[in-house]
Amino acid sequence: GAGVSQTPSNKVTEKGKYVELRCDPISGHTALYWYRQSLGQGPEFLIYFQGTGAADDSGLPNDRFFAVRPEGSVSTLKIQRTERGDSAVYLCASSFGGATGDEQFFGPGTRLTVL
Amino acid sequence: AQSVTQLGSHVSVSEGALVLLRCNYSSSVPPYLFWYVQYPNQGLQLLLKYTSAATLVKGINGFEAEFKKSETSFHLTKPSAHMSDAAEYFCAVSEVQGAQKLVFGQGTRLTINP
Repeated sequence: GAGVSQTPSNKVTEKGKYVELRCDPISGHTALYWYRQSLGQGPEFLIYFQGTGAADDSGLPNDRFFAVRPEGSVSTLKIQRTERGDSAVYLCASSFGGATGDEQFFGPGTRLTVL
Repeated sequence: AQSVTQLGSHVSVSEGALVLLRCNYSSSVPPYLFWYVQYPNQGLQLLLKYTSAATLVKGINGFEAEFKKSETSFHLTKPSAHMSDAAEYFCAVSEVQGAQKLVFGQGTRLTINP
């Protein structure tokens, strides 16, 4: 079956611009997660959705970052006034129920480069 | 707060040799523990997980890991390395109750020498 997909696979933008990154989770998965992976580092948690609501957004670095999941399926991560330090691979994951210990299935990521 | 330390950012072994990737966690209570593998230009794939059942956990591709509470460790092993095992490996931890997020280590890049 189809896994988690993310679009675009690569995004190059200029400092100060607005970007949107899209995640399509596995069908039927109620939990969706966003992580950010900087070069040479492990993924860092950004935000977790259970259904349509953000259950935990403690990882969002500042108010330039925002994410939505209006129908409980597709999610969009939005970054305003991008900075060079936002350059990273943004990973999306989904799991069936969102219980701790559930396997999170990861997408291939979107590589964001801010010039 | 939970944290994970992976000892050795790079590990190199010969094909057929033992693979040992080290992971230590910091948590006030025994957490859930995971090993993920990341091949170039691919997403993270779960190798195995510990969720408070058997302390020796077997995963895919011949990997296994042992949860040792006294050492706060969850090291990953494979008896005989294969060229296809070359990848980045991440240890991760999550709380048993509460936050579902994964906290990852910095990763270990495994190189297999022919």
